[in-house]
Amino acid sequence: QQPVQSPQAVILREGEDAVINCSSSKALYSVHWYRQKHGEAPVFLMILLKGGEQKGHDKISASFNEKKQQSSLYLTASQLSYSGTYFCGTEPGNTDKLIFGTGTRLQVFP
Amino acid sequence: DAGVTQSPTHLIKTRGQQVTLRCSPKSGHDTVSWYQQALGQGPQFIFQYYEEEERQRGNFPDRFSGHQFPNYSSELNVNALLLGDSALYLCASSLVGLEQYFGPGTRLTVT
Repeated sequence: QQPVQSPQAVILREGEDAVINCSSSKALYSVHWYRQKHGEAPVFLMILLKGGEQKGHDKISASFNEKKQQSSLYLTASQLSYSGTYFCGTEPGNTDKLIFGTGTRLQVFP
Repeated sequence: DAGVTQSPTHLIKTRGQQVTLRCSPKSGHDTVSWYQQALGQGPQFIFQYYEEEERQRGNFPDRFSGHQFPNYSSELNVNALLLGDSALYLCASSLVGLEQYFGPGTRLTVT
């Protein structure tokens, strides 16, 4: 039931792009994306509701394919501050109960 | 505008003891969810409170219980602590159905 994220880890140079994928075996109502730095709480990035919409702010955007039960997070022109572990939180049905993925560790170097 | 706050920051307990963790939601939020995060893992949903009632529950034993007060703050209680209960406990607040904002967490160590 836990969504699977890929890749497990990404290493980037500043300015490079990355894509993180989140795949669920359950029908999803929404997908939430969070970034967590070591020793800190997860920080909310964005929420996508079913309907195939794409969202974004600054250089981070995401898409949600309801039929495939998949979501992707796109990081463009990465910055050092993007380093951390990214989690997708999936909501199966309109339950307001988030099930978090396995996490993707992203490291950005100068 | 204060965000989500949690207390205490760190806690060390002995196996078999009981613990209470506290959470104050972000201003304007009425829903509180609790998560357990083991080292290197994603947060696991424990339960959610709305209008002082437990609205949703994850796969956690009855040793885990909670409460929400009229001011929307919440407590998480864990009885008969086990070594495996050692983790970061996160509280997240929201308006029902919308994005959840996490507090800094309480690091619980059971010895």
